[in-house]
This record gives sequence, C-alpha cells and structure tokens, in this order.
Amino acid sequence: KAGVTQTPRYLIKTRGQQVTLSCSPISGHRSVSWYQQTPGQGLQFLFEYFSETQRNKGNFPGRFSGRQFSNSRSEMNVSTLELGDSALYLCASSLEVSYNSPLHFGNGTRLTVT
Amino acid sequence: GDSVTQMEGPVTLSEEAFLTINCTYTATGYPSLFWYVQYPGEGLQLLLKATKADDKGSNKGFEATYRKETTSFHLEKGSVQVSDSAVYFCARLNSGGSNYKLTFGKGTLLTVNP
Repeated sequence: KAGVTQTPRYLIKTRGQQVTLSCSPISGHRSVSWYQQTPGQGLQFLFEYFSETQRNKGNFPGRFSGRQFSNSRSEMNVSTLELGDSALYLCASSLEVSYNSPLHFGNGTRLTVT
Repeated sequence: GDSVTQMEGPVTLSEEAFLTINCTYTATGYPSLFWYVQYPGEGLQLLLKATKADDKGSNKGFEATYRKETTSFHLEKGSVQVSDSAVYFCARLNSGGSNYKLTFGKGTLLTVNP
C-alpha cells in the first residue's frame, strides 16, 4: 500500500508570493492533517480535514488555508509569504483521528522563503 | 492547555547503552499517548502507543508505560544501536470531543556512536 505522498518535496519562494502544497493520503484514509515543523517552534498543528470538512484549526493566521477534495487528497495554501513561513510542512493521514487510528506522515515539503 | 514536555537533548550514547527519554503531559482529559520517530530527511513514523493508564507500548525494543500518577510516558530501550539515531517525539491525543489533533513535544535528538 502506497504511503502518504507530498508534492513538491522542495520549494523556494520569495516573500509576498503564495504557494500551494499537495498531499495524497493513504488509500482509504479520510482524515488528513497538516503540521508545520520548525527548529524553534517544533511541530505545530495547522488543520485537519475529514470528508472535505475542516474539523479543527490551529493558531495560524488566515494566510494559511487548506481544503480537501472528494477523493481525500488535500492542499494547503499560504498567501503573502513571510520569511518566518520557512519550514517543513508535514501531511498526515488516518482512517480517523482517534486513539486507535494513528497518523501516517508523508516525508514533507521543505519550503524556503527568501 | 494541553501540552507535552520532553527532555530536549541532544542525547549521545554509545552502542548497547541504555536509553531513557523523559516525557510528561498535562493531565487534562484522558489522552492517548504516542512516541514518534523521525529519521533524517523523512516524515514521522509511529514507534509505539498507549491508550490508557498502565498500558505499556512496545516496538523494536523500545518501551513506554502510561503512568497516570506521574503523568509520564518515558521512552526506554535496553540496548541502543547506531540505527536508532533519530529525533524522537512524544505526543498526546485527546479522546472524544472535536479536538482532532496531536500535541507534540519539542523532540529529542538521539545520536548513537559505534
């Protein structure tokens, strides 16, 4: 069974631009979560989608948004990029976000904002 | 709020040494607890989990016991190998409600020397 696939693997953008990251979950998984990983803040929760509905959102500004399609694939978008948005963005999928259904992570998209 | 505190390291050990990485969590609700591992250039992989008090999670020689009285979930391994070198994250997941997210500790970098 294929794992969680994130594209692209690396991105370099300029301040003020916008970016879209893509995530394909494991087949059959309906929950997709996004996390931002930085050396200073560690792993921070961005949002979680289940059956195309956002069920929870972390403490990030409105420049960070996401969506989930009917095939469970998900995208996240960051508009008006800032230098501080440079991070590894991790997507994770699961059958359900519960104690009995752990998250399976992709290898991430490394975003560098210059 | 919900939080996880783990020793930040880095931790450097010789092969076959005993490993302990401390993790404590805030005692709100009845969380499930996890250890994830991240190898260089990769996403996170689930190492082990425990869903209720006194449960012991184990995998690949690693163990952790859910201690409600001390709100701890320390990771241990009796004899580490060079291949165990990675970053280890402790995490909690609230059960019930609509809080569909993992809260992670800051991570502990483990380096095992031959």
